[in-house]
Amino acid sequence: TQLLEQSPQFLSIQEGENLTVYCNSSSVFSSLQWYRQEPGEGPVLLVTVVTGGEVKKLKRLTFQFGDARKDSSLHITAAQPGDTGLYLCAGIASGSRLTFGEGTQLTVNP
Amino acid sequence: NAGVTQTPKFQVLKTGQSMTLQCAQDMNHEYMSWYRQDPGMGLRLIHYSVGAGITDQGEVPNGYNVSRSTTEDFPLRLLSAAPSQTSVYFCASTTAGNEQFFGPGTRLTVL
Repeated sequence: TQLLEQSPQFLSIQEGENLTVYCNSSSVFSSLQWYRQEPGEGPVLLVTVVTGGEVKKLKRLTFQFGDARKDSSLHITAAQPGDTGLYLCAGIASGSRLTFGEGTQLTVNP
Repeated sequence: NAGVTQTPKFQVLKTGQSMTLQCAQDMNHEYMSWYRQDPGMGLRLIHYSVGAGITDQGEVPNGYNVSRSTTEDFPLRLLSAAPSQTSVYFCASTTAGNEQFFGPGTRLTVL
């Protein structure tokens, strides 16, 4: 079983601040996904990264896949209350199924 | 398209009772899966299916059965509910490119 560790587990910040969430593993993944989940709903896919060193941007969100494809980060610039939610990373190792991290609960206070 | 639908949204069971959680998708995806979500443990795979008539076990299959008679439907059965099965259950339907679409979840409490 490939393990994905997310940090921090909880994050509470003020509107306008920047933040970074990390997703780390000792395993190599062929691709890695980030999801956001709001209370009472299922996770929604934000992005998939597949190439080591790849950077993808989604408005104020920047996703990076590590060069060795063992880790990833999510950076949010100028966070807004609408960014509040549970952020989950999920990795696919070659020939294996999707493995999820424990999640980072982000709260952005107005 | 309705996407992935799950019923019921909430359920309370007594220990030993059985029930079926329903999941349906209208996107013609071959791959479907069931997860449970518990605080601090992320999403854990219970069972999955790569197509009609084919199912396999995930990370935490004990106490659960599945079947896949059609592409659209993938029900999850709890044979004899236990308090340890109190959780939020999510069904997901996956594209060929590994993009997962999740249902809204079923919140199950076993007393």
